[in-house]
Amino acid sequence: AQSVAQPEDQVNVAEGNPLTVKCTYSVSGNPYLFWYVQYPNRGLQFLLKYITGDNLVKGSYGFEAEFNKSQTSFHLKKPSALVSDSALYFCAVRGDYGGSQGNLIFGKGTKLSVKP
Amino acid sequence: ETGVTQTPRHLVMGMTNKKSLKCEQHLGHNAMYWYKQSAKKPLELMFVYSLEERVENNSVPSRFSPECPNSSHLFLHLHTLQPEDSALYLCASSQDSGLAGGGHNEQFFGPGTRLTVL
Repeated sequence: AQSVAQPEDQVNVAEGNPLTVKCTYSVSGNPYLFWYVQYPNRGLQFLLKYITGDNLVKGSYGFEAEFNKSQTSFHLKKPSALVSDSALYFCAVRGDYGGSQGNLIFGKGTKLSVKP
Repeated sequence: ETGVTQTPRHLVMGMTNKKSLKCEQHLGHNAMYWYKQSAKKPLELMFVYSLEERVENNSVPSRFSPECPNSSHLFLHLHTLQPEDSALYLCASSQDSGLAGGGHNEQFFGPGTRLTVL
């Protein structure tokens, strides 16, 4: 069965410092991995995805994520956090098989708080 | 802003009411989804439509009834809901569903409908 874990409910970072939001996954076959961000009273916005190729993926708003197959991880990173990055971040995964494994499975979310 | 709109944004209904949520996507996608987002819980996939055909019903109670009249519109009809159904209901669309080999395509989400059942 597919699953994704975001071990931290909340991450606190000072503005200007690097940030990391963790994600690990379990899936049959090769994973398709996604990060989304949700601002208050808004839907989820796509940030970046890993499908194949280079393990370091760059996305919107200066975010990047590194796919690590041996550790089954896909941590979200940003070199210098902004107060405006404060939001709820979701990691999601699906396997590259069809059928029910084609559904996107979301983690429970990590609240990122960036303080001035 | 994302090309997916949802109405209404907020809805308060009694347990005996019947109401409908509407979703419209302007992205030319052929797959649409309903998700339920409750506090402290992961997003729950409710329904998947691909080419206007329901391809997934994720053990959702029959008091939730989806309808997809065309590839741009998706409805969620609600009747005799329970207070525990109070949540944010999110609609999303993508080009091809994961079930149809479009697993690499990201989903685009609407802003959601905040539903409160009294």
